[in-house]
Amino acid sequence: SAVISQKPSRDICQRGTSLTIQCQVDSQVTMMFWYRQQPGQSLTLIATANQGSEATYESGFVIDKFPISRPNLTFSTLTVSNMSPEDSSIYLCSVQLEGRRGSPLHFGNGTRLTVT
Amino acid sequence: GQNIDQPTEMTATEGAIVQINCTYQTSGFNGLFWYQQHAGEAPTFLSYNVLDGLEEKGRFSSFLSRSKGYSYLLLKELQMKDSASYLCAFVTTDSWGKFQFGAGTQVVVTP
Repeated sequence: SAVISQKPSRDICQRGTSLTIQCQVDSQVTMMFWYRQQPGQSLTLIATANQGSEATYESGFVIDKFPISRPNLTFSTLTVSNMSPEDSSIYLCSVQLEGRRGSPLHFGNGTRLTVT
Repeated sequence: GQNIDQPTEMTATEGAIVQINCTYQTSGFNGLFWYQQHAGEAPTFLSYNVLDGLEEKGRFSSFLSRSKGYSYLLLKELQMKDSASYLCAFVTTDSWGKFQFGAGTQVVVTP
């Protein structure tokens, strides 16, 4: 397994501002992902954070709204830009330790974001 | 398209057995995972099935039928600490890491 440290753990932000969430892993990993979990709903993949290249975004998510950095194999950030109350959610960083079939995702503890 | 369904909530008594069903639809199916998520915490990995049949891990077992697009998680000898949300998720052949999650089944264990 891996230790995945995510911060901040929670924040309350005003509409129109931006928040950057950090994810630090205690070992080098190839695959890092950012998920969103809205209240009572499933985890939805926002994007795959690629080291050395732009992130790959899922349908419905765009780089201008959710810019992602991946400067090395142990660290990534997700920024939620120009926030609105609809962005209130839990944001989760996850990693896959092995790039093979059956390798599970391991999650950080999440960032609980409330936008007022 | 892709779809995954599981019941919203189940209630069971301490010491009993509960079975959480999960049905899915996808092309290029390449495995199904079960996760446990306690309130306010991150999901933690429980089990993985890629072939038909039952996988047993202590009090927890997971079953898969690929032809029926069906899986279940069986929790035996329920304990109060098993009260949590249980998420099923599948992956497809085009990406190991792109998990499609269900909405989760909230299991409530009562004394």
